[in-house]
Parts: sequence; structure tokens; C-alpha cells
Amino acid sequence: AQKVTQAQTEISVVEKEDVTLDCVYETRDTTYYLFWYKQPPSGELVFLIRRNSFDEQNEISGRYSWNFQKSTSSFNFTITASQVVDSAVYFCAPDLYSGAGSYQLTFGKGTKLSVIP
Amino acid sequence: EPEVTQTPSHQVTQMGQEVILRCVPISNHLYFYWYRQILGQKVEFLVSFYNNEISEKSEIFDDQFSVERPDGSNFTLKIRSTKLEDSAMYFCASGPRQGGTEAFFGQGTRLTVV
Repeated sequence: AQKVTQAQTEISVVEKEDVTLDCVYETRDTTYYLFWYKQPPSGELVFLIRRNSFDEQNEISGRYSWNFQKSTSSFNFTITASQVVDSAVYFCAPDLYSGAGSYQLTFGKGTKLSVIP
Repeated sequence: EPEVTQTPSHQVTQMGQEVILRCVPISNHLYFYWYRQILGQKVEFLVSFYNNEISEKSEIFDDQFSVERPDGSNFTLKIRSTKLEDSAMYFCASGPRQGGTEAFFGQGTRLTVV
């Protein structure tokens, strides 16, 4: 079965520290997309990024950056100079072919990030 | 900006009752999904829907569940006889194509079965 591992269940950092959230996945697909979502305490799922497996260039968006390594099936997410508003649960979610004719997002268990002022 | 909307935001129901969760996907999207998140756990795929039929469903999506697109705009999830373990946040999502699209998620419906 294809699965996603977010080994860090909870992380606490002090404001302005950098933090990296790890994601490792298993897939037999050669072509796929990878996503990160943020779930704040209010509960909604907020889209952060989509990457496709062809493109291994790291991506930076403001204080967020992503490191994709296809060879190790990892897609790690770094927040630079963390802020209290970054406190949330973060989910890694590859969009994988199910083998039964459709794609579906396969979510990791999430990493709860707490940023302490 | 177009968005997926879900109603109600919170529903409380008695065990054994039927519930219908409603979703209005983004208007030009063709693929529709329901996901479930039990409190404190990961988001789990329930079902995908395309061209007025189920594309795929997970093991969770048993005979108690059904989906429908009754009028070309709404997309509903029905649970026929709710159980306590159905208590969860239910997310609707839609996308313009299959695979590789950031499924646009609604804000969720929190279902509490008592």
C-alpha cells in the first residue's frame, strides 16, 4: 500500500526559530504530485503548495520553502523565522494513482507545530 | 475567488438518524471528493465522483454512505444510519481534472453523533 509518514507528531519552537517538517512517502508511481496543507485550529484545510515529481528544484515562497528529493521519496517543508500564526497541524499529501482508475490525496498523520512567543 | 462551500458547518444528530451533508463545488470543476477526519487523526479519503458516478471509494465508504449530485451544482454525502464512530469532520473537495490538481477543500462540516 502506498503510504505517507510524517515522523514528527508534535514540534514546539520559539518564535523566530526555523523549523523543518519531514515527509516521506511510498509510491510505485513515476509521475505524481505532492501537496502540503495547513490546518489551523479553526479546522479548515489550507492549500500551501503543489509540486510535481518531474521538478526537483527547491521552491521558496516567502518564509516557506520545500525540499523535494525523489530519490529518497521525501518532501520536507521548512518555515523560516516562525511566527505564532504558523501554529497549526501540517499535512503532507501526495496525490497518488490508486490503481483503480482514479487519483486521491493520501494524507500523512500530520505534524502539530506550536510556535511559542 | 471561487471556493467550495459546505453546509452546515456543524451538525449534531442522534445515533441511528440519517444525515445529509451538503457541498457546492466550484462551478467548472468536474471531479468531486469527500474526505473524513476523525478528531485528532489524519484526513482519510472516502469517495471520488465524476460524470455522475462514483470513481472510487475507500473501505470506510460502506453501504451506509451514499453520494449524489442532485441538481448539477450540489454534491451531497448521505449517511443512512449514523453511528457514534461517524463523528468526524467531513471535507468536500473539487478539482478541474483528475490527478495533480490541488483539490479545493471546503471548510468542513463537523458531525457529532450522540
